[in-house]
Amino acid sequence: EAGVAQSPRYKIIEKRQSVAFWCNPISGHATLYWYQQILGQGPKLLIQFQNNGVVDDSQLPKDRFSAERLKGVDSTLKIQPAKLEDSAVYLCASSSPAGGRINNEQFFGPGTRLTVL
Amino acid sequence: DAKTTQPPSMDCAEGRAANLPCNHSTISGNEYVYWYRQIHSQGPQYIIHGLKNNETNEMASLIITEDRKSSTLILPHATLRDTAVYYCIVRVDSGGSNYKLTFGKGTLLTVNP
Repeated sequence: EAGVAQSPRYKIIEKRQSVAFWCNPISGHATLYWYQQILGQGPKLLIQFQNNGVVDDSQLPKDRFSAERLKGVDSTLKIQPAKLEDSAVYLCASSSPAGGRINNEQFFGPGTRLTVL
Repeated sequence: DAKTTQPPSMDCAEGRAANLPCNHSTISGNEYVYWYRQIHSQGPQYIIHGLKNNETNEMASLIITEDRKSSTLILPHATLRDTAVYYCIVRVDSGGSNYKLTFGKGTLLTVNP
């Protein structure tokens, strides 16, 4: 079974530039999550999709961050404009009520490491 | 969300059991305890979860106290590959079949040769 795919793995940009991250979840997984992990901290949920609808985006800084999952499969997370404090690893995860060893186990991708200069 | 408290770091000798404690004194009766781990430069990985009873799988054992205010994750024979940050999480239902994970800083377990 293929895992969660993310690209790019690394990205370096200057502040005020824009950046986009892509995630391809495990086939058949209806729920998709984006997390932000700042160095030394645990991942923080930014947004959760169920198919192509948003379930929870309460911690997404909506003035600069946006995410979409138009066809209920792949997802894109965008930052525009980036700030220095956005430097972090952005993790994508997926889950399915009928998938995994247990219901709702979240499977994580390798993440995209963003550096904002 | 029920808060969890974990020691920031622990050491363990290779081949010995690693016992990782977690305090979750404000847990509600229908909230599960989940454990994930994150090896350096990788995404988190599910280990085990439980509600009231002790649980065991091929990776680890989970011991939950009778009052459910604390739990211990046990890696019976730690190897160097078990060096990782271990997160104890109380599961909050988002509704329906979905839930979200609220990660703390976790415990950095270092397995020494």
